[in-house]
Amino acid sequence: GNSVTQMEGPVTLSEEAFLTINCTYTATGYPSLFWYVQYPGEGLQLLLKATKADDKGSNKGFEATYRKETTSFHLEKGSVQVSDSAVYFCALSDRSGNTPLVFGKGTRLSVIA
Amino acid sequence: DTGVSQDPRHKITKRGQNVTFRCDPISEHNRLYWYRQTLGQGPEFLTYFQNEAQLEKSRLLSDRFSAERPKGSFSTLEIQRTEQGDSAMYLCASSSGLAGGNEQFFGPGTRLTVL
Repeated sequence: GNSVTQMEGPVTLSEEAFLTINCTYTATGYPSLFWYVQYPGEGLQLLLKATKADDKGSNKGFEATYRKETTSFHLEKGSVQVSDSAVYFCALSDRSGNTPLVFGKGTRLSVIA
Repeated sequence: DTGVSQDPRHKITKRGQNVTFRCDPISEHNRLYWYRQTLGQGPEFLTYFQNEAQLEKSRLLSDRFSAERPKGSFSTLEIQRTEQGDSAMYLCASSSGLAGGNEQFFGPGTRLTVL
C-alpha cells in the first residue's frame, strides 16, 4: 500500500538557518504530494502541494519539489524564523487529491532565537 | 466560510461508555474525512464520505466504530464500548471534491481520553 517516510525529529535550528526535512514515498500510480503544518495549539493546515512530477510547491518561503525518480518531496526553507516552530507532516493522496491522505509520522521543528 | 468545526473539543469518558463526536464541514464541501491521531504519530485515515455515501472504511475502524453523514452535511462518529486504546485526537476534514490536488481542510479535532 501507499506509505510516507519522513525524517524523525525533533529538529532544532537557530534562527536564519537552512531547513531540510526529508520525505520519501511509496505509491502506485502518480500521487499528489502535500506538506501540512501543525502550529502549537492549532489544527493541521496545508503548507504546500504538488500534483505532478517536477512540480514545485511553495508557500511562506517553504519549497518542495516532486521528484518522481527518487520518490521524494523534501521540504526546504532558506532562513527559518522562530515562528516556523511547528510539526510538519508529509502526506500523499491519489492524483485527484480527493482520496484519504496518507501521512508520515511528522517532524517537530524548534527554531531558537 | 467558518471552516471545519468539531464538537466537543475534549471528551473524557470511562472505559465501556459510548461517545459521539460531531463534525460540521465547510458548507458545500461534498467530501468529509475522519482521521485519528495519537501522540507522536501522523493522522491515520478512518473513513470518508461523498455527500451521504460512505465510500471507504479503514481496517482501523473496528465494529465498535460507526460514522454517518445524514443528508450529506454534518457527520457523526460514534465509538461504542470505549477502550483505553481509543484515546486519541479525532480529526475531521472536508474538501470540495473537485479534481486536481484538492486541499483537505481540517478541523481542530476532538481529544478523547478513556479512563
